[in-house]
Amino acid sequence: GAVVSQHPSRVICKSGTSVKIECRSLDFQATTMFWYRQFPKQSLMLMATSNEGSKATYEQGVEKDKFLINHASLTLSTLTVTSAHPEDSSFYICSAPPPNLITNYGYTFGSGTRLTVV
Amino acid sequence: AQSVTQPDIHITVSEGASLELRCNYSYGATPYLFWYVQSPGQGLQLLLKYFSGDTLVQGIKGFEAEFKRSQSSFNLRKPSVHWSDAAEYFCAVAGIGTAGNKLTFGGGTRVLVKP
Repeated sequence: GAVVSQHPSRVICKSGTSVKIECRSLDFQATTMFWYRQFPKQSLMLMATSNEGSKATYEQGVEKDKFLINHASLTLSTLTVTSAHPEDSSFYICSAPPPNLITNYGYTFGSGTRLTVV
Repeated sequence: AQSVTQPDIHITVSEGASLELRCNYSYGATPYLFWYVQSPGQGLQLLLKYFSGDTLVQGIKGFEAEFKRSQSSFNLRKPSVHWSDAAEYFCAVAGIGTAGNKLTFGGGTRVLVKP
């Protein structure tokens, strides 16, 4: 089945610095990647949709300048949290939709990145 | 816009007892529905999904779910719960036809298993 590799799994950074999270599709081409954010004991909230070769689409209320998304190739999408603050501490997960929904593996999720801003 | 509601935030069940997690969705067309499980600090694992056909879907780990269009529901069931089933469960709906087939999650149900 399809695999999405997400790195890093955990990161601690100082307030005011930037952090980049990468998601790579290992055995398929991901033209689209969804980025989710999950606060402790809460659900996954869609932040944005990245599309290879074009600008990302952000959900309402998500700061575009704070959460920079790049999808420069068919196998790599990145999320950069700029000027991070403690309130940005969260669990970030990427997900790639299958080429068509009739496949057996459904949506493919990265393993998540636990970001802690101190 | 699509949405998913999981009415139960927490459910406590005894080991060996049956489990049912409720999920109600809202979507204007035929939904594509999923159930995922997440253990603490971990990513998501797909339990099962429904696209079309038989409305009773079998998944991994002994789980099944039934799609009921008239009730806009996709409830998850397991006949006999094991201690390892303690986790967070998420129901999700795919917005077919929207840009990129966006997946929307319900709020989740935390399952606690008593010995």
